[in-house]
Amino acid sequence: EPEVTQTPSHQVTQMGQEVILRCVPISNHLYFYWYRQILGQKVEFLVSFYNNEISEKSEIFDDQFSVERPDGSNFTLKIRSTKLEDSAMYFCASSEVAEGHEQYFGPGTRLTVT
Amino acid sequence: SQQGEEDPQALSIQEGENATMNCSYKTSINNLQWYRQNSGRGLVHLILIRSNEREKHSGRLRVTLDTSKKSSSLLITASRAADTASYFCVTYYGNNRLAFGKGNQVVVIP
Repeated sequence: EPEVTQTPSHQVTQMGQEVILRCVPISNHLYFYWYRQILGQKVEFLVSFYNNEISEKSEIFDDQFSVERPDGSNFTLKIRSTKLEDSAMYFCASSEVAEGHEQYFGPGTRLTVT
Repeated sequence: SQQGEEDPQALSIQEGENATMNCSYKTSINNLQWYRQNSGRGLVHLILIRSNEREKHSGRLRVTLDTSKKSSSLLITASRAADTASYFCVTYYGNNRLAFGKGNQVVVIP
């Protein structure tokens, strides 16, 4: 069964450093998303991406964040200058269609900022 | 807040029993979904119910939606130890983003 994959599974970085989290969505999906879950808190929407552009972003997704689909398979989330409060589990998701259809989530990347 | 809120927050049951979780939300939705998350793992979609539907079944899962009360319930029948997980009520308002509730921890005791 096709699945969303994410690398790395765990990333440790120092405050102020740039990190890139990588995702490979399901191959025939057209809509891509990033969410994060700070330990003990809700899963929070960050951004949705379709047709090579951001279609929706949350208040969390500020200028420090960017997304890219550099080729036909990868979908990346970049945090330019990490802060302690960026420590969280980051989930990538994809869906075949938009408009609230079911999304398929990857296993997540645990980001620890020290 | 637009997110769904589950009730109860934690549930511990014996294997074979049914588990019921409720969710409430505050504004009109396009659809409501339930996801499961096993400890330290990703989120798995369980079931989606549209705003014009009242009840839906999928295997041992039964979800209801009452738009007049802005509430939903998820019933897991004949629970198994493998059902131990966090269950999230997720609402969709048509803005291309899913809004997650806090999650409901279910422990099924063998």
